[in-house]
Amino acid sequence: KNEVEQSPQNLTAQEGEFITINCSYSVGISALHWLQQHPGGGIVSLFMLSSGKKKHGRLIATINIQEKHSSLHITASHPRDSAVYICAVSPMNYGGSQGNLIFGKGTKLSVKP
Amino acid sequence: KAGVTQTPRYLIKTRGQQVTLSCSPISGHRSVSWYQQTPGQGLQFLFEYFSETQRNKGNFPGRFSGRQFSNSRSEMNVSTLELGDSALYLCASSPTSFTGELFFGEGSRLTVL
Repeated sequence: KNEVEQSPQNLTAQEGEFITINCSYSVGISALHWLQQHPGGGIVSLFMLSSGKKKHGRLIATINIQEKHSSLHITASHPRDSAVYICAVSPMNYGGSQGNLIFGKGTKLSVKP
Repeated sequence: KAGVTQTPRYLIKTRGQQVTLSCSPISGHRSVSWYQQTPGQGLQFLFEYFSETQRNKGNFPGRFSGRQFSNSRSEMNVSTLELGDSALYLCASSPTSFTGELFFGEGSRLTVL
C-alpha cells in the first residue's frame, strides 16, 4: 500500500465546476504539500499545511491530522487549471525536514471550456 | 528575484557514462532537495542538502550522489548510467530545511540510450 494515496487519478470537469481532489496518508507528518505540475515538467508549490485550512484565490486546501486526510478544492474551475495535482508529505521521523517528501501518484485534471 | 535554475535542461547519455546536473537555488535559500520523476515510479526523493551537509537521503543506490557548495548551489552526479535512470530530475530550494514552502526548478530531462 502506498503511503500517500490520491483520488481520483483522472478528473475531467466543465469550466466553472467545483473540483475536489483527495489525499490520504498513513505516516505521521510534519507538513503536507499540494503541488501543481504542468506539461513540460515544472512544479509549483500551491500550499504547505500542517493544520486547518488555507485559501489562495480560487484554491482552498484543508487537512485533518487526526484522520490523516487532506483535500484540495478549486472553485469556478478554468481551462488554465488543467494540470497534474500532486499531494506530498514530509514524514515526521526525519526531523521535520521539509525537503524529504513522499509523493502521491498525482491527479490529472482536465477542465473543458 | 531569480527562480531556481537547473542546468542542463535536456541531455542524452549512453549506458555506462556518468552525468552531473546542477541546481542554483533562489538567492538566500540554504536548503536544496533533489527528486527523480519517472512514468513508472512517479516522484521520488533523492537527497537534501542544508549548509553544505547532506541531511537526508532517499532509497537510491550509491551511484547517485550529490554535494552542495558554500554558495548553496548543488550538484548531483549519477555514475555508470543505466537505462532506468532516464527521468526528469528536479531540484527545489527553501530558505531553511525546516520551514517555508519549496520552490522548484524546471528540471533536467535525462535520456539514457
